[in-house]
Amino acid sequence: SQTIHQWPATLVQPVGSPLSLECTVEGTSNPNLYWYRQAAGRGLQLLFYSVGIGQISSEVPQNLSASRPQDRQFILSSKKLLLSDSGFYLCAWSGNSGGYTFGSGTRLTVV
Amino acid sequence: EDKVVQSPLSLVVHEGDTVTLNCSYEVTNFRSLLWYKQEKKAPTFLFMLTSSGIEKKSGRLSSILDKKELFSILNITATQTGDSAIYLCAGGGNSGGSNYKLTFGKGTLLTVNP
Repeated sequence: SQTIHQWPATLVQPVGSPLSLECTVEGTSNPNLYWYRQAAGRGLQLLFYSVGIGQISSEVPQNLSASRPQDRQFILSSKKLLLSDSGFYLCAWSGNSGGYTFGSGTRLTVV
Repeated sequence: EDKVVQSPLSLVVHEGDTVTLNCSYEVTNFRSLLWYKQEKKAPTFLFMLTSSGIEKKSGRLSSILDKKELFSILNITATQTGDSAIYLCAGGGNSGGSNYKLTFGKGTLLTVNP
């Protein structure tokens, strides 16, 4: 069966520090992968999605970047965090059925 | 730009009440409408709807899609305190090729009081 792992679960980082959040999927190949952020307004905002290795689409201009070095690995990064980067980050994958499965999320607080 | 609008944004009811949550969508190359329940952490899947007029049911929860009016509802009957959560609606569409993605609404915060 397919599983998705996301870590860390919580993170407190100072302004200006780098960020790396990792997401891996098991039990499937060539999944579509996504990074979402959920801020105080509760909606999930799509940040990046990827349909294959090295293929990244960015939905909103921001201080973050994403990479997909392997088929089942998706990484969210920043060189210098801003206060506004705080939020709940969710990784997700989808296959042909159209449904998403979410990782457990990372709560990032930038101080 | 794809858009999903949920209403109400928040709702407080008593145990045993029936609630109806609304979701309207404008999604390019629409494929599916999904409902999720989110408690403290990641959203958990409830329903995926692709055809109009066919109700999907799971216990006390049910949902239906109207592709003509671009609308879906989620019903919860005989609510319990454990139903308290944020309910998220999402529209799925293909922007091109295999670029399938979900656009989420802001969610409805449901509070069920004993």
